[in-house]
Amino acid sequence: ETGVTQSPTHLIKTRGQQVTLRCSSQSGHNTVSWYQQALGQGPQFIFQYYREEENGRGNFPPRFSGLQFPNYSSELNVNALELDDSALYLCASSPGGGDQETQYFGPGTRLLVL
Amino acid sequence: GDSVTQMEGPVTLSEEAFLTINCTYTATGYPSLFWYVQYPGEGLQLLLKATKADDKGSNKGFEATYRKETTSFHLEKGSVQVSDSAVYFCALRGTGGGNKLTFGTGTQLKVEL
Repeated sequence: ETGVTQSPTHLIKTRGQQVTLRCSSQSGHNTVSWYQQALGQGPQFIFQYYREEENGRGNFPPRFSGLQFPNYSSELNVNALELDDSALYLCASSPGGGDQETQYFGPGTRLLVL
Repeated sequence: GDSVTQMEGPVTLSEEAFLTINCTYTATGYPSLFWYVQYPGEGLQLLLKATKADDKGSNKGFEATYRKETTSFHLEKGSVQVSDSAVYFCALRGTGGGNKLTFGTGTQLKVEL
């Protein structure tokens, strides 16, 4: 069984640019969540997708957007990058149904904004 | 809103020492509680969980008991190993629907020989 995978592993962008991060959920999982983890902090919830629809959003501005595809993989898009967007971005998938609570995390994408 | 407070690190212990990492939470109702571990350069791994009051989660020698009366979920291990060196995050899933996790700031554990 393949776990949650994310790409790329590292990324460097400049302020004002746009970035797309990708996540493949664990086999059989239909729910994907995205988190931002700043250095030395705990992860902060960005949003969640369930069966291709946004199903909850944290306190992040609209320039953070996402998609979920029919195979349940997902993208996180960030427009107009700011220096404070530098962080580790974590994707987590969960099975849905009766076991929505356990989230399985990918290794993350480390984004540096210069 | 929901929040999680963890003891600040780093916590430095000798191998085979007893470990306690304190975690308290604020939430309405009965949230589910989790401990995740993050090894250097890696993502988060679920260590253990408890979904109702007085439940004890356990895994790999780690334990935590859901205490509603003290709103706590302290992580314990009787004898730590060097390989336990990592950052430990306490988290909760609230009762407001969805599957959002609220994390504490993490506690770094360093175990020395």
